Amino acid sequence: GQQLNQSPQSMFIQEGEDVSMNCTSSSIFNTWLWYKQEPGEGPVLLIALYKAGELTSNGRLTAQFGITRKDSFLNISASIPSDVGIYFCAGPGNYGQNFVFGPGTRLSVLP
Amino acid sequence: ETGVTQTPRHLVMGMTNKKSLKCEQHLGHNAMYWYKQSAKKPLELMFVYNFKEQTENNSVPSRFSPECPNSSHLFLHLHTLQPEDSALYLCASSQDASGYEQYFGPGTRLTVT
Repeated sequence: GQQLNQSPQSMFIQEGEDVSMNCTSSSIFNTWLWYKQEPGEGPVLLIALYKAGELTSNGRLTAQFGITRKDSFLNISASIPSDVGIYFCAGPGNYGQNFVFGPGTRLSVLP
Repeated sequence: ETGVTQTPRHLVMGMTNKKSLKCEQHLGHNAMYWYKQSAKKPLELMFVYNFKEQTENNSVPSRFSPECPNSSHLFLHLHTLQPEDSALYLCASSQDASGYEQYFGPGTRLTVT
């Protein structure tokens, strides 16, 4: 079935730095979603993208729907300690699959 | 209450026990989902219900039995589980099964001893 890949797998950054992560697929997606999961909690929807080339912001977060429709990017500006968590990309699968999640990028923010 | 709630938040059960997980959504959605999240693995979709009808069973073992009495409630009945079934079980809902924005509950952390 379809798979999503995320990179990097994990990252350690200093507070105040900008962060960039991406999600790729071998097949086309028509929607990209970005979620954040904190320890002991369920994923929380951050941003939804519905159109190739679309750039959408949510506070310090900005996500882009890649032109090829096979990738998406998430940027976090001026990171703060509460940005710590696992960031997942997800999208509706084709061929009857409902939803596909990437393996996640684990973000740690050092004070 | 708002959003998606799950009870219990934590559950420890023996392999011969029978227990149930409960999920309730207050968003007026018509689709509900069960996911399994194990350490270092992507979220695994288990079941999908759309307008109370099961539309997807992702080859889940029969020791997991879902029930959806109405669009707001979803249960996962557990019996004779194995230690490898220990995981975080997440419930989610969306407007319908083609509505891609899924909203998750906090999960039930299950430990099978």
